[in-house]
Amino acid sequence: EPEVTQTPSHQVTQMGQEVILRCVPISNHLYFYWYRQILGQKVEFLVSFYNNEISEKSEIFDDQFSVERPDGSNFTLKIRSTKLEDSAMYFCASSNRGGRDTQYFGPGTRLTVL
Amino acid sequence: RKEVEQDPGPFNVPEGATVAFNCTYSNSASQSFFWYRQDCRKEPKLLMSVYSSGNEDGRFTAQLNRASQYISLLIRDSKLSDSATYLCVVIPNTGFQKLVFGTGTRLLVSP
Repeated sequence: EPEVTQTPSHQVTQMGQEVILRCVPISNHLYFYWYRQILGQKVEFLVSFYNNEISEKSEIFDDQFSVERPDGSNFTLKIRSTKLEDSAMYFCASSNRGGRDTQYFGPGTRLTVL
Repeated sequence: RKEVEQDPGPFNVPEGATVAFNCTYSNSASQSFFWYRQDCRKEPKLLMSVYSSGNEDGRFTAQLNRASQYISLLIRDSKLSDSATYLCVVIPNTGFQKLVFGTGTRLLVSP
């Protein structure tokens, strides 16, 4: 069964450093998403991406965040200057169509900012 | 008011029990509703979509009450493997894909 993959599974970084989280969505999917989950809290939407541009973003997704689809398979989330409060699990998801089409989540990258 | 509210639990039930979770949502324009399941430190996985007429998938039954803006999930004949956190999820607007999650309800099924 096709699945979303994410690398790395765990990333440790120093405050102020840049990190890039990588995702490979399911191959025929057209919509891509990033969510985050701070330990003990709910899953929160960050951004959705379609047709090589952001279609929606939350207030969390400020200028420190960016997304890119650098080639036909990868989808990345970059955090330019990490803060302690960026420590969380980051989930990538993809769906074939938008709307209520099922979003399939990757296993997540645990980001720890020291 | 939170967009999606759930009782965090935990609900402790014995194997074979029936358990029900409720969830309320604040945006009356919400169009799509789901239950996801999340195991500890894992990704959310779709359990089932929730339709206005109610729907059933094996031991799981989901109901939607638009007038009261709540969604329910009923699990019959609980199994040990049902132990997880159940996430109520809403898409608040048509034409967008942003999932809005509740904090989840934790279920512990014991032998």
